[in-house]
Amino acid sequence: NAGVMQNPRHLVRRRGQEARLRCSPMKGHSHVYWYRQLPEEGLKFMVYLQKENIIDESGMPKERFSAEFPKEGPSILRIQQVVRGDSAAYFCASSEAPGTSGRMSTDTQYFGPGTRLTVL
Amino acid sequence: SQKIEQNSEALNIQEGKTATLTCNYTNYSPAYLQWYRQDPGRGPVFLLLIRENEKEKRKERLKVTFDTTLKQSLFHITASQPADSATYLCASRGRAAGNKLTFGGGTRVLVKP
Repeated sequence: NAGVMQNPRHLVRRRGQEARLRCSPMKGHSHVYWYRQLPEEGLKFMVYLQKENIIDESGMPKERFSAEFPKEGPSILRIQQVVRGDSAAYFCASSEAPGTSGRMSTDTQYFGPGTRLTVL
Repeated sequence: SQKIEQNSEALNIQEGKTATLTCNYTNYSPAYLQWYRQDPGRGPVFLLLIRENEKEKRKERLKVTFDTTLKQSLFHITASQPADSATYLCASRGRAAGNKLTFGGGTRVLVKP
């Protein structure tokens, strides 16, 4: 049973380039979350998506950042015109639809290994 | 704004002893709290979830408590082993916060043989 998969694991970009981070949720999971972890800081929520739908993007920077979770394929976090301050570890998590069958485990978010973005 | 805090100082402990980590929250009432383990260069790994109406939860050598009066959760690792050395993260979901998790800064645990 494969866990959450993210690729690439490491990504190096020069200032001004675009970064695309991919996330495939666990089998059976329809909800995806993106978090960012800056060096020496905690995880910060960015965005929560279902298939073809952004549920909560309250943690996303207003500019340059976008996310999608298409009907087919992985979720994508896209950062345009990257700056050095975007260097961080980006983690994706997935869960079942919360409240499914009333089981506690539906609230649990399972994390991928992360993509470490370095902006030169 | 809702805030969740963990002791930022590393916890050094002798093998075999019990490690106790603290997670405090302010300005909200979490529907539940979760504890994760994170090793360097890896993603957080889910350990335990405890809901507001539960006082205590156990899993093997791990125990979590949830005190809504003190607004605090304690995480215990009993009979600690060097392999338990990692950073432990507390996370919560507020009632009105949708499904997003708010994380504490994590506490690094180092178990010495």
